[in-house]
Amino acid sequence: NAGVTQTPKFRVLKTGQSMTLLCAQDMNHEYMYWYRQDPGMGLRLIHYSVGEGTTAKGEVPDGYNVSRLKKQNFLLGLESAAPSQTSVYFCASNIAGGLTDTQYFGPGTRLTVL
Amino acid sequence: KQEVTQIPAALSVPEGENLVLNCSFTDSAIYNLQWFRQDPGKGLTSLLLIQSSQREQTSGRLNASLDKSSGRSTLYIAASQPGDSATYLCAVIASGTYKYIFGTGTRLKVLA
Repeated sequence: NAGVTQTPKFRVLKTGQSMTLLCAQDMNHEYMYWYRQDPGMGLRLIHYSVGEGTTAKGEVPDGYNVSRLKKQNFLLGLESAAPSQTSVYFCASNIAGGLTDTQYFGPGTRLTVL
Repeated sequence: KQEVTQIPAALSVPEGENLVLNCSFTDSAIYNLQWFRQDPGKGLTSLLLIQSSQREQTSGRLNASLDKSSGRSTLYIAASQPGDSATYLCAVIASGTYKYIFGTGTRLKVLA
């Protein structure tokens, strides 16, 4: 099993550009999450999904959109990137929403917006 | 609003010491609490999960305790090794949600 993979690993954008981050998992997990990690602020939840075709807002959803068209993939989109979106983005997944099981994390995507 | 705090933010100890990392949360209505490890430039790896009905969990040299009523958890690391150097994060899932709330982590350095 590859576990949770993220594409790309690094990206530099100019303000106003758009991009999509791809998260894929091969563990047949129902729940998937996107977080951002900033120095001194821990991980903050952007959006999450409880199953194929569903999405929900997390703690910091503004400026981001997501889609879960296939169970194994969860896409995070930035329509018009801003310097405040410079961060490390992590995707995670689990079987049962974390109530009885742990989350599995991807290696992260380091995004810089100039 | 649930808030999770970890103190200290950084800790440096000599090899072989036993140490305790602290995690506190403001709302005791949680499903579970988890401890994670993060190495520099990497994702998070789960260490221990404690259900709300449990008091502690153990894995090797690690022991995590949970006191829901006081909103506290501790991660005890026995006989620390340089390989234990990493950032340790705790997270809770509030009852009625599937959302993890993370602390800001404790950066641990074990000196050889």
